[in-house]
Amino acid sequence: QKEVEQDPGPLSVPEGAIVSLNCTYSNSAFQYFMWYRQYSRKGPELLMYTYSSGNKEDGRFTAQVDKSSKYISLFIRDSQPSDSATYLCAMSYMDSNYQLIWGAGTKLIIKP
Amino acid sequence: DADVTQTPRNRITKTGKRIMLECSQTKGHDRMYWYRQDPGLGLQLIYYSFDVKDINKGEISDGYSVSRQAQAKFSLSLESAIPNQTALYFCATSPSGNAISTDTQYFGPGTRLTVL
Repeated sequence: QKEVEQDPGPLSVPEGAIVSLNCTYSNSAFQYFMWYRQYSRKGPELLMYTYSSGNKEDGRFTAQVDKSSKYISLFIRDSQPSDSATYLCAMSYMDSNYQLIWGAGTKLIIKP
Repeated sequence: DADVTQTPRNRITKTGKRIMLECSQTKGHDRMYWYRQDPGLGLQLIYYSFDVKDINKGEISDGYSVSRQAQAKFSLSLESAIPNQTALYFCATSPSGNAISTDTQYFGPGTRLTVL
């Protein structure tokens, strides 16, 4: 079993819809949770960063962490075609020297 | 100009050939990483370096070697390429410091490598 599980999709939704992307993990030591966005033919870039449990909001994006369920989510409101990309979750903890453990990435397609 | 550059961007080579992928950065970061990305598998860490004299193996280092020539340069070599090393390779950097610093990795544009 991989430490971080993420459905590779693709997930296709109409423009304006609310998108929910998710990852589950098995290592309860993870403390830091990230969402990276990767456009086609580009390297990933950090989108959201959350420490421990709770929610974090940035514009149309909300990151949510539920440590009790070992489950993290990224919500995108009012989705736009420009949000079409692959979204990768990543996690780390202090004793791992902050090495990131990555999900496989979910490909998201927003249809105009 | 891009902060993290990789050369070449695309490479086709034959089984058994030695190949080097190069990464340069102008961000002034201490930490550098090499990843490979395969469809459905996400990013897998090959090697990482916390400074010029500190190089560490990642989860899939077999068949690869690295060289940190300077703070700004980190090269990945495939000594004898094999077809299952066909993948997209990314270099990344991050600053040292607290978790949010080190977890914020900046990626190059990637090198698409095909081994025939």
